[in-house]
Parts: sequence; C-alpha cells; structure tokens
Amino acid sequence: AQSVAQPEDQVNVAEGNPLTVKCTYSVSGNPYLFWYVQYPNRGLQFLLKYITGDNLVKGSYGFEAEFNKSQTSFHLKKPSALVSDSALYFCAVRDREYGNNRLAFGKGNQVVVIP
Amino acid sequence: SAVISQKPSRDICQRGTSLTIQCQVDSQVTMMFWYRQQPGQSLTLIATANQGSEATYESGFVIDKFPISRPNLTFSTLTVSNMSPEDSSIYLCSVEGGHSSYNEQFFGPGTRLTVL
Repeated sequence: AQSVAQPEDQVNVAEGNPLTVKCTYSVSGNPYLFWYVQYPNRGLQFLLKYITGDNLVKGSYGFEAEFNKSQTSFHLKKPSALVSDSALYFCAVRDREYGNNRLAFGKGNQVVVIP
Repeated sequence: SAVISQKPSRDICQRGTSLTIQCQVDSQVTMMFWYRQQPGQSLTLIATANQGSEATYESGFVIDKFPISRPNLTFSTLTVSNMSPEDSSIYLCSVEGGHSSYNEQFFGPGTRLTVL
C-alpha cells in the first residue's frame, strides 16, 4: 500500500519569506516522490520528483524538495515566496514495486502568499 | 512533456443523464489515467486505460458507471453514466511521461462537472 499525508490544510506566508509545504509518505518498499501544483481552474503541473541519488531535488519555479528516508518525508521548499506561488500543492508517491503505475496523492495544501 | 486537451472544459448536467469526456494527447502514449477530484478533495484514480484492452478500475469504481474507451494511442473517453449530484467533480486525464515507473504524469486541464 502507498499513501501520502499533507498535515496542513493551508499555509500562509509573507511574500519574500521562505515557504515550506510538508509531506510524509508510506510505502512498502522504496518510493518515487513527486510534487505538483494546481492553479485555479487549471490542471496539475509537475514541479519536481525524487527518484534516487541526491536527497535535495531542484525543480521548476525555484522550488526544491528534500527527501528524508528516516523521517519518510519529502517537504517542498522555496527560499523566497512570490504572490504568484499562491496555489494548491499536491505531494504524490509511487512504490517502486514492479509494474506499479499508480500514484497516490495527498489531500493538497493551499498556499497563500501575502503581499 | 505531453500536451493534453480535454473536452468539454465544463458542463452542467441533469440527474440521470450521462456525459462523455474526451481526452486527446499530442503524442502516442501507452497508458492513460482518469482521475476524479471532488470539491476540496485530493485526486482519486478511477481507472487506467491501455490501448487495445479493457480498462483497469480501482476499488470503488465500476465499468457500468464509468465506461472508458481507448481506441488508439492518442485518445480516450470517460463516460459518467446515470449521474447524480455526488458525481459533481473535476475529472482529469493524465499520461505517463515515459515508459518507466519513475516518470511523472502529465495532466489535462480537467473537466468541471456539475450535476443538478
């Protein structure tokens, strides 16, 4: 079984401040981890993923995420938030089990960047 | 990355009717996925559609309610049958970015369905 927890419903941050969106996962084996962003009335856009190797992954729009196996976490971060970063953010996980093409999504976090 | 379009973008339907949602991809892909995103909720996988075979449905979803077609490698349809207000959701199709399980999925813009 695979699952994702995003513990916060909404994250409020002032423009220019660091942004963190939390994600923890559960898989039977080893994970592939993904972050997506959804802007109002738009589909999901891929931000970044962790496959293997360096625990710090860099993605689109200045976002990065750190894989922590001991804490089973994959928190999304941005050093300096922009108002345009206000959106819904989803963490997703896929167990590396062979033939598994299913993604499990978290419930999403609404990020509000305050000017 | 793949460019995915969906039709219609939104619709308002009456209870008991059916709606077919189309998903078109700009490149040939093996697997296509259909998700449901209920208001304020996360994405739930409905089914996986492979060309030339029956779709594989997730627990809680059945073919009679959500029949899927996959006539070729660039197109799929999802029908929401005998609709009720509980079917009001955003329906999204997605495709794999490659042939490996570590590839990300790319999503269409979604179809916003309201059932009265």
